[in-house]
Amino acid sequence: EVHLVESGGGLVKPGGSLRLSCAASGFTFSRYSMNWVRQAPGKGLEWVSFMSGSIGSDTYIHYADSVKGRFTISRDNARNSVFLQMNSLRAEDTAVYFCAREGIFGVVPRYFDLWGQGTLVTVSS
Amino acid sequence: DIQMTQSPSSLSASVGDRVTITCQASQDIDNYLSWYQQKPGKAPKLLIYDASNLETGVPSRFSGSGSGTDFTFTISGLQPEDIATYSCQHYASLSLTFGGGTKVEIK
Repeated sequence: EVHLVESGGGLVKPGGSLRLSCAASGFTFSRYSMNWVRQAPGKGLEWVSFMSGSIGSDTYIHYADSVKGRFTISRDNARNSVFLQMNSLRAEDTAVYFCAREGIFGVVPRYFDLWGQGTLVTVSS
Repeated sequence: DIQMTQSPSSLSASVGDRVTITCQASQDIDNYLSWYQQKPGKAPKLLIYDASNLETGVPSRFSGSGSGTDFTFTISGLQPEDIATYSCQHYASLSLTFGGGTKVEIK
């Protein structure tokens, strides 16, 4: 069975850092592009970041404007995992963070056909 | 950025009713639209992609239509297990955005 399991969430002070992890199982992870999507309490969904699967020697990465320069996405195909390094955190980054598998092969984010259960990040003093 | 306006924000219907949700894009997005179902405390689930394609394993009572700026999501025969929030999402540009969601309840 295919699964995505996030970890690493928690309480952090404004300006702090946190690293989220997402472990994949049940599919050939390296072939899939992966995303992070967040949902603030009681709010709608917001796409955060995309990282392509292996396309020759190239890797494609994209970020939402709201996190560009502060968040960094990475992956370790040997460990079937994708990560989100979050720096300079702000109160408005408080949300449940989901990792989500890209539903179609490509170099840009499209739609998401598999989601993890999410991990809560709270930014507060 | 392309804005997605979803309506209504909530609705109440009876089991067996036909339920319709609309999503309007602020500019032409062709058919680059998906629909998700999210139950409380759970992850979203993909139902429809490319505006009208049913994801594998999703019941056929769910359907989507539209292109350009106006889109419709329909549940043809509401079931108790369909209680959830439904959201549209465009992917016509790198600034993907979701609609605000429609909470569907049983009357």
